[in-house]
This record gives sequence, structure tokens and C-alpha cells, in this order.
Amino acid sequence: RKEVEQDPGPFNVPEGATVAFNCTYSNSASQSFFWYRQDCRKEPKLLMSVYSSGNEDGRFTAQLNRASQYISLLIRDSKLSDSATYLCVVNPHMLTFGGGTRLMVKP
Amino acid sequence: NAGVTQTPKFRVLKTGQSMTLLCAQDMNHEYMYWYRQDPGMGLRLIHYSVGEGTTAKGEVPDGYNVSRLKKQNFLLGLESAAPSQTSVYFCASSSFGDRVTDTQYFGPGTRLTVL
Repeated sequence: RKEVEQDPGPFNVPEGATVAFNCTYSNSASQSFFWYRQDCRKEPKLLMSVYSSGNEDGRFTAQLNRASQYISLLIRDSKLSDSATYLCVVNPHMLTFGGGTRLMVKP
Repeated sequence: NAGVTQTPKFRVLKTGQSMTLLCAQDMNHEYMYWYRQDPGMGLRLIHYSVGEGTTAKGEVPDGYNVSRLKKQNFLLGLESAAPSQTSVYFCASSSFGDRVTDTQYFGPGTRLTVL
């Protein structure tokens, strides 16, 4: 079993839609959690950290469920520019990356 | 402030050839990392360094060597390239000891093809 698992997608959604991704992790000792965004043929960039109480940054909301060992990312009012691959990242010791979920927002 | 830079951006090697990938960061970060990214596999850690003169193995270290002679540079070497090493290589750096945020800053990547 992979340490961090994500549905690879692609998720095809129309502009303005709300879309949610989940990610599960296997190491219960994981201390920190992140979502990174990666555009096609570019480097990953930090989108947001995920805090225990959940956190929001504009149209993006991240949640952590330690009991079930998953984190989620919710994107509201999707924009064309949100099209990218979203990487779930967990840190039990070193950052461990999921395989990514590809999002395609269509006009 | 260039952040993290990588040299070269693209390279094609023949099986058995050697090469060195250079990563440089100007953020005075202690930690530096080398990853490879393959389709469907996510990023996998090859080697990392927690400070000048130190290196450690990551998840997939076989076939690679690294050196961190200067704080700002982290070199990844392939002594005898194999087709299985065809991949996109990313270097990253992060500040020391901050496990809460642990934001990693990535370079633009090196696309390596081994024929």
C-alpha cells in the first residue's frame, strides 16, 4: 500500500463548479500535511498547509481527519486557471508525496 | 532572488554515460533534496541533505550519488546511466528544522532521457 494515495482523476468540471479531492495516508504518526499544486511540466508549489482545525484560503478549504487518516481539498467557484495537478503531501519524517489528482476546468 | 535553480534543463544520455545535475539555492536554506518524478508515481525522494557536508539516502537512492560541499549547492550524480533513470528530476530546499510548515521550494526540473 502506498503511503499517500490519491485518485489520479482527471476531474473534469465546468467553470464555477465546486470540486473536492480526498487523500488518504497510512502513517498515523504523520505530523504535518500540505497541498501542493503542479502545473503541466512545471515544478510543484505549495498551495496551502492543512491544520487540524481545518483552514480556508479564499476559494480553497483544506480539512484533516486524523481518525480516518485522510485530508481533503475543496475548491469553490472553479476557474480555468485552477486546472492543474494537486499533490497531497504528508510528513511523518520526510515529505511524502501522493501521485496527484489532475483537475481540468472547462469553460 | 532566483530561488532554486537547476542545470541543465534537458539532457539526453546514452546508457552507461555519466552526468552531474546541479542545484543551487540563494535562500540560505539548510535542507536540500533531490526527487524524481515519473508518471503515476508522484515525487520520490532520492537523497537529501540537512546541511553543508552532510547527505542521506531517501526512498530510491540506488544508482545516484550526491554531494553538498557548499551550503547553496547540491549535486546529483549518475555514474552509469540506465534507461530506468529516464525521469524528471526536481531539486528542492527548505529552512532548517521547521516541521510544522516545512515548505519546500522547488527548482524548475531537469528532464533526463537515457537511451
